[in-house]
Amino acid sequence: DADVTQTPRNRITKTGKRIMLECSQTKGHDRMYWYRQDPGLGLRLIYYSFDVKDINKGEISDGYSVSRQAQAKFSLSLESAIPNQTALYFCATSVGIAYNEQFFGPGTRLTVL
Amino acid sequence: AQKVTQAQTEISVVEKEDVTLDCVYETRDTTYYLFWYKQPPSGELVFLIRRNSFDEQNEISGRYSWNFQKSTSSFNFTITASQVVDSAVYFCALSDRGNTPLVFGKGTRLSVIA
Repeated sequence: DADVTQTPRNRITKTGKRIMLECSQTKGHDRMYWYRQDPGLGLRLIYYSFDVKDINKGEISDGYSVSRQAQAKFSLSLESAIPNQTALYFCATSVGIAYNEQFFGPGTRLTVL
Repeated sequence: AQKVTQAQTEISVVEKEDVTLDCVYETRDTTYYLFWYKQPPSGELVFLIRRNSFDEQNEISGRYSWNFQKSTSSFNFTITASQVVDSAVYFCALSDRGNTPLVFGKGTRLSVIA
């Protein structure tokens, strides 16, 4: 079984709809992250959480919100989806020690029509 | 502020050629960590290597090698005798003091043609 899972893997939705992307991990890591990937732009950080009570904005947090329901779960919400939020979304985890290698989930491809 | 620049957007080589992917970084910290990830056509992100700022030794792993030069703030990645399976997008990333989220470059798409 995968250590970092994302649901759904693919989602097509309409402008204005509320969408939630979920991430679960079995690695026991305390840190979790949400990134989005757009062609030619690399991965950009949306939000991150260093523990259950810690939520931090990343580079592109506008239009998104997150919830850290438990150490193993980190959800990303789009309150009112818009077409330019069409992208590939990755969840990642890491341990809270110095070298901070991040382990990525398989990604969620979101299309907003 | 942290920044990672991968100036090569796309590279195309013929199988068995050597290819180097460039990565230039900016940081104010003296302690930092550099990473390379591979994203094959299937889409997942695969960790390749981590290097800390105090270790400038070059590293070789099979056909892959990495050249870390603090003097030029570069962490370049070379694939020797490239193969079609090396076709992917490669990302360089940086973490200050190992305690901040990774900052990624925009990636280099490598196409290896048979």
